[in-house]
Amino acid sequence: GAGVSQSPSNKVTEKGKDVELRCDPISGHTALYWYRQRLGQGLEFLIYFQGNSAPDKSGLPSDRFSAERTGESVSTLTIQRTQQEDSAVYLCASSLLLAGGRDTQYFGPGTRLTVL
Amino acid sequence: AQSVAQPEDQVNVAEGNPLTVKCTYSVSGNPYLFWYVQYPNRGLQFLLKYITGDNLVKGSYGFEAEFNKSQTSFHLKKPSALVSDSALYFCAVRDRTNQAGTALIFGKGTTLSVSS
Repeated sequence: GAGVSQSPSNKVTEKGKDVELRCDPISGHTALYWYRQRLGQGLEFLIYFQGNSAPDKSGLPSDRFSAERTGESVSTLTIQRTQQEDSAVYLCASSLLLAGGRDTQYFGPGTRLTVL
Repeated sequence: AQSVAQPEDQVNVAEGNPLTVKCTYSVSGNPYLFWYVQYPNRGLQFLLKYITGDNLVKGSYGFEAEFNKSQTSFHLKKPSALVSDSALYFCAVRDRTNQAGTALIFGKGTTLSVSS
């Protein structure tokens, strides 16, 4: 079946502009995660959605970052007033939530954001 | 605090030789452990996970990993490396005592290079 998809695959923007990144999770997956991967680094957790519950925003680095998800479908990550330090690959993952945290997260191909 | 360490930035092996990519973890409770692989300009692909039961876990593409509680390790292994195994490998952990759906904590990654 179809995997997690993300768009755009690449985004180049100027410092100070706003950007929106999109994630389409695997159909039926109730959990959705956003991570950031800076060059040469591991993944940093940003935000987590589970159904209609309040999202876990504990990983968002500043109030310039926000995300929305409509039900159990598409999610958008918005970065306002982009800074050069925001340059990274933004990865989305989804999972079929299992009790006790046994679920496996499946990742999309990522959006490479470059802030000039 | 939860953490994952991948002590080697790079591992070099010759094709046909066995390979090991090391991972150690620190969690307050019992861990769920994961390995992912990332090919250039691609998202992360799930390889295998340890949840419970047999300490030796078998995964995709001939990879396996051994959970060692006393050494808090979860090293990734393959008996015979292929050039196509060359990629970036990430170890990740989730504390089992946390509620379902919490984010994974990732190591910084290990680049595996297999020479022909």
